Amino acid sequence: NAGVTQTPKFQVLKTGQSMTLQCAQDMNHNSMYWYRQDPGMGLRLIYYSASEGTTDKGEVPNGYNVSRLNKREFSLRLESAAPSQTSVYFCASGRSSDEKLFFGSGTQLSVL
Amino acid sequence: GQQLNQSPQSMFIQEGEDVSMNCTSSSIFNTWLWYKQDPGEGPVLLIALYKAGELTSNGRLTAQFGITRKDSFLNISASIPSDVGIYFCAGQLGGGTSYGKLTFGQGTILTVHP
Repeated sequence: NAGVTQTPKFQVLKTGQSMTLQCAQDMNHNSMYWYRQDPGMGLRLIYYSASEGTTDKGEVPNGYNVSRLNKREFSLRLESAAPSQTSVYFCASGRSSDEKLFFGSGTQLSVL
Repeated sequence: GQQLNQSPQSMFIQEGEDVSMNCTSSSIFNTWLWYKQDPGEGPVLLIALYKAGELTSNGRLTAQFGITRKDSFLNISASIPSDVGIYFCAGQLGGGTSYGKLTFGQGTILTVHP
């Protein structure tokens, strides 16, 4: 049982480049989330999708877009990467009825 | 946005010692959660607390939901080397579509010396 799978695990971009981070879950969860983790700041919510077909902004959405492709998949896109987006990105999923989130193993992104 | 202050930022202890860390907020939360993150992995849920005053255990871990609903603590008894990692508190304000919209503390880095 894979749980939450994120790809890629590592990525280096140049300023201005674009890329999409992929996330898939096999737990039949309705809700999916993208968080970023920066040193000394914990995790901060970028975007979330409460159910298939809906997406909403979190605490730090600027510079990002998301797509809930189907119930399993939720992607995060950086259209024009900036050094401030250097971070570790985590995808998570959960049931609609509680707050227990299951996290992927993360994508470490460096923007030069 | 919401702020959670977690302390201490780091701890260096000997195997067998007990550990205590806490989290405080300026806002009231309906749910408090404690996560552990191993190097190179995502956070894993340890304990979830749902009621003010609730005390919950998970093996050697014990956590409490503060009476004021603005704080929580986590205790680890008789630490072992595999307890090494980063521990995060997280608060959640309410239900509806916001179940997974968690506010995280800055984390406590735990190092256990054999």
